[in-house]
Amino acid sequence: GAGVSQSPSNKVTEKGKDVELRCDPISGHTALYWYRQSLGQGLEFLIYFQGNSAPDKSGLPSDRFSAERTGGSVSTLTIQRTQQEDSAVYLCASSPGVWTEAFFGQGTRLTVV
Amino acid sequence: AQSVTQLDSQVPVFEEAPVELRCNYSSSVSVYLFWYVQYPNQGLQLLLKYLSGSTLVESINGFEAEFNKSQTSFHLRKPSVHISDTAEYFCAVSHMNSGYSTLTFGKGTMLLVSP
Repeated sequence: GAGVSQSPSNKVTEKGKDVELRCDPISGHTALYWYRQSLGQGLEFLIYFQGNSAPDKSGLPSDRFSAERTGGSVSTLTIQRTQQEDSAVYLCASSPGVWTEAFFGQGTRLTVV
Repeated sequence: AQSVTQLDSQVPVFEEAPVELRCNYSSSVSVYLFWYVQYPNQGLQLLLKYLSGSTLVESINGFEAEFNKSQTSFHLRKPSVHISDTAEYFCAVSHMNSGYSTLTFGKGTMLLVSP
């Protein structure tokens, strides 16, 4: 079956613009994560959705970042008024439920110029 | 608070030599443990996992990791590495937090295998 799909794979945007990153999780997976990967910084947790529960937003770095998950499936990560420090690879992962491994997409490389 | 420490940011090793990538975690609750691998210009893939049962777990390509609860460690080992093992390796822990399962990663260890 299909894996986790992210789009676009690459995005170059001008400082101050808003961007939307999309994630299509594996069908039937109830949990969805967003991470940010910067050079030398490892994986930084951003937000976590589990079923119909309220998302865990504790990792969002500022109020410019937001995410939603519609119908328990597709998720969109929105970054408003992008800054150069937002440049990174944004990774989405999904898992069948709690206490299981996550399956990752290929990521979206965001470059803010 | 949950945390994962990978003590080495980079591990250079010669082909066919043994390697150990270290991982320590801190948690006040029960955890599940994972190693993920990221080959150059690719996404993250699960390498192996510890959920329960035997504390020694193995991957299909010769890696193994041992869960040591008393030392809160989950070190990754391979007795003889190949050039193709060059990649970044991430240790991760899953724990229950207010009813959620969150996945926390270490900063990664870059394994560099040279001939």
